[in-house]
Amino acid sequence: GEDVEQSLFLSVREGDSSVINCTYTDSSSTYLYWYKQEPGAGLQLLTYIFSNMDMKQDQRLTVLLNKKDKHLSLRIADTQTGDSAIYFCAESIALKTIFGAGTRLFVKA
Amino acid sequence: EAEVAQSPRYKITEKSQAVAFWCDPISGHATLYWYRQILGQGPELLVQFQDESVVDDSQLPKDRFSAERLKGVDSTLKIQPAELGDSAMYLCASSSGAAQYFGPGTRLTVL
Repeated sequence: GEDVEQSLFLSVREGDSSVINCTYTDSSSTYLYWYKQEPGAGLQLLTYIFSNMDMKQDQRLTVLLNKKDKHLSLRIADTQTGDSAIYFCAESIALKTIFGAGTRLFVKA
Repeated sequence: EAEVAQSPRYKITEKSQAVAFWCDPISGHATLYWYRQILGQGPELLVQFQDESVVDDSQLPKDRFSAERLKGVDSTLKIQPAELGDSAMYLCASSSGAAQYFGPGTRLTVL
């Protein structure tokens, strides 16, 4: 079946790197996504990766995909207090997008 | 930068009343989605449109929820009658390719 799992909580110090992890079950995913949600707001697309890639870098964000283990990670370099939010992993399968429950990132000053 | 618009941002209603939410997708985006997000969870798809046609409404509680996108542009999601368990954030998203872009959402509280 389709399932996306994430750890619920991550706490880091300002200036450190954050790594948010995600596992998914369906190997037929075409794209995998990372979204950011701040309190009371909609989801903001951060980045996405095609399933035949294993890495994508965009400024402070690095996405790593291990298709064999069905594992996706998001690394945020030099984490800032403004990065505090909930981060959602999602996979697209055919016409559907399945979201994880989100990882709450707390950045300590 | 183009954005998905939603209104209202907040809605408080009593159970058994009717509510309606509106969404205006990014111009040119043929695909429109309505999601429901319960506190502490990820979004769950209610209905997906391709232009004016419904592509997937398998998770839409059709006894009380309806959605339309008559001209293939903006869309309305209606709940009648609202129940206490409908309290959630209702998110609209649109896409023209691989990525979906979300609006700010409508926070519904049913008393």
